Amino acid sequence: QVQLVQSGAEVKKPGASVKVSCKASGYTFTNYVIHWVRQAPGQRLEWMGWSNVGKGNTKYSQEFQDRVTITRDTSASTAYMELSSLRSEDTALYYCARGVDYGGFSYFDYWGQGTLVLVSS
Amino acid sequence: DIQMTQSPSSLSASVGDRVTITCRASQTISSYLNWYQQKPGKAPDVLIYGASSLQSGVPSRFSGSGSGTDFTLTISSLQPEDFATYFCQQSYSPPWTFGQGTKVEIK
Repeated sequence: QVQLVQSGAEVKKPGASVKVSCKASGYTFTNYVIHWVRQAPGQRLEWMGWSNVGKGNTKYSQEFQDRVTITRDTSASTAYMELSSLRSEDTALYYCARGVDYGGFSYFDYWGQGTLVLVSS
Repeated sequence: DIQMTQSPSSLSASVGDRVTITCRASQTISSYLNWYQQKPGKAPDVLIYGASSLQSGVPSRFSGSGSGTDFTLTISSLQPEDFATYFCQQSYSPPWTFGQGTKVEIK
């Protein structure tokens, strides 16, 4: 069965960086896109960017363009999201999600369990 | 960016009730609208994609309709396991954006 398993919770100081991993199993990793979405307390879900795993290209939300880097290691079937220059507003639950395109419509069909990133001095 | 607005933000309903949640886009998005259900402490699960297509494995009491800017998620007969928060999301153009969520609570 398809699974996305993320790395554990992180506590970081303002100004630091965090790197979250997302290990995929149960499907051919290079056939799908991996998205990153975050959910801050009391806020709506916020899309950060995606990695086209097979082609190796990425697309980022302008909101995070200057601070986020999404990479992947196809040999390990793992995607990574690194966010730099952390501030308290980045405290959130970070999800990876598999992107699927069915009938011309794109959506997130499987999600990781989420990784809590707490930014605090 | 395309803004997604859901209404209501929360509602109370009883088991067996028919529930309707609406989602409005700030510009036309054709049928590029998805609905997700999220339970506390869990990641979202997709219910509907392409405005009206039921994701495999999702009960038929869930249905979606609409196109352009106005969309609806309907639960025909609310079940105990349906008490959750529901989000709409547009996939018309990046950045993909979500509604603020509708929390369905037990009356």
